Amino acid sequence: EPEVTQTPSHQVTQMGQEVILRCVPISNHLYFYWYRQILGQKVEFLVSFYNNEISEKSEIFDDQFSVERPDGSNFTLKIRSTKLEDSAMYFCASSEWSGQGGGYTFGSGTRLTVV
Amino acid sequence: SQQGEEDPQALSIQEGENATMNCSYKTSINNLQWYRQNSGRGLVHLILIRSNEREKHSGRLRVTLDTSKKSSSLLITASRAADTASYFCATDAAGANSKLTFGKGITLSVRP
Repeated sequence: EPEVTQTPSHQVTQMGQEVILRCVPISNHLYFYWYRQILGQKVEFLVSFYNNEISEKSEIFDDQFSVERPDGSNFTLKIRSTKLEDSAMYFCASSEWSGQGGGYTFGSGTRLTVV
Repeated sequence: SQQGEEDPQALSIQEGENATMNCSYKTSINNLQWYRQNSGRGLVHLILIRSNEREKHSGRLRVTLDTSKKSSSLLITASRAADTASYFCATDAAGANSKLTFGKGITLSVRP
C-alpha cells in the first residue's frame, strides 16, 4: 500500500536554529499538508499546498514557517528560527483530491525537540 | 464546544466488549474521518464517512453520521488488547479548501 514517508523520525535542534522536515507524498496525490501535534494536545492544521502554492494556512503558520516542493517528489517544511514551543510531532499528509474526494494518508511523523 | 470534539475522553473496557466513541462538530462538513494513534506514533486512517452517508462498516468498525445532530459515533466490536490507542475524529469542512479539524481524542484502553 502506498505510504507517505517522513524523515527524519526524530530531530533535536537548538533554539534559534533552522530545521527542514522532509516528506515524500504518495506519487499520484495532488494535495499536500502539514499538521503538528504538541505533546498531549490535539492535531492542528498548519498549511495546505496545491499546484505549487499554498492554498490555505493557519494562524500558527507565521513567517518563521515555509513550505516547498523542490522537485517532483519531496515536500518540505522549514522552520527558520526554532523556538522551544515549536517542539511537537509534525505530520505530513497527502490526498488525491480535495473536499468530497476522500481520505488523507499521513506519514509517521517527525518528532521535533527544540532545546 | 469545538469542532470535532469526542467523548468520552477516556474509555476502559474488557477485551471482547464493544467500544463506542462519540464525536460532535459544529459546521457543515464534506466528510468525517476517524483516525487511530498509538502512543507517540503516527496517525492511521480508519474510516471515512461522507456527509450523504449515514452508516459505514469496515471489518470490526462501524461508523454512523447524523448530520442533523452534527454527531458521529465509532463502534469497535469484539475489542482486542491491540485496539488500545487514541482515537480521533476529524472533520473536512464544506465550502473550504480541504483541511482536517481534529478533536482532542479518546484514549481507549482494552484490558486483556
